[in-house]
Amino acid sequence: SYELTQTPSVSVSPGQTARITCSGDGLTKSYASWFQQKPGLAPMVVIYKDIERPSGVPERFSGSTSGTAVTLTIVGVQAEDEADYYCQSTDNDSFIFGPGTRLIVL
Amino acid sequence: EVRLVESGGGLIQPGGSLRLSCAISGFSVSSSFMNWVRQAPGKGLEWVSVVYEGGNTYYADSVKGRFTISRDDSDNTLHLRMNNVRTDDTATYYCARGVDGSPFDSWGQGTLVTVSS
Repeated sequence: SYELTQTPSVSVSPGQTARITCSGDGLTKSYASWFQQKPGLAPMVVIYKDIERPSGVPERFSGSTSGTAVTLTIVGVQAEDEADYYCQSTDNDSFIFGPGTRLIVL
Repeated sequence: EVRLVESGGGLIQPGGSLRLSCAISGFSVSSSFMNWVRQAPGKGLEWVSVVYEGGNTYYADSVKGRFTISRDDSDNTLHLRMNNVRTDDTATYYCARGVDGSPFDSWGQGTLVTVSS
């Protein structure tokens, strides 16, 4: 199976745009999802099928894809967006998570 | 409303066995594929196992041959039987529902398993 890689941390000021990238060879063949996890809580999906946003997730969250990378973009970051973000994809009959990116809101 | 509630975690000695359960409401356990995902303290997410609607099951290499996923359609519950546990199985275990295009659509709150002598 392949691995997914993510930058360990991203820091932005409130109101700025945060971009979190996930890379992996298998991303050209399988959809990716993004999960937000706040301390002590279960993860929550914020993007699925590369670009789809579940109902209830703010419009400032969006996903994009380019080759072997997918990107989660948060436009107009708010303090409440500070969390760990994990990408996830599929490899045959198994599921793979990236190592996570901590978004720090300064 | 979709709700997933895990139970069965606790302290267990290396080599022991444990069964985790995930009580489901708001949908039928047999109508979606269901996963177990774990998270070691301070670490990232690790997929553990899946059971599909048709009954096929798959496992991460780290648990293959030791863990068994199953579902009970009669009481709408998902289970994970953990045998021969090791210290590196220590983690919070989450059950998660999968739907088409979104493999981890809804999550439970998790149950903590601690493997220690």
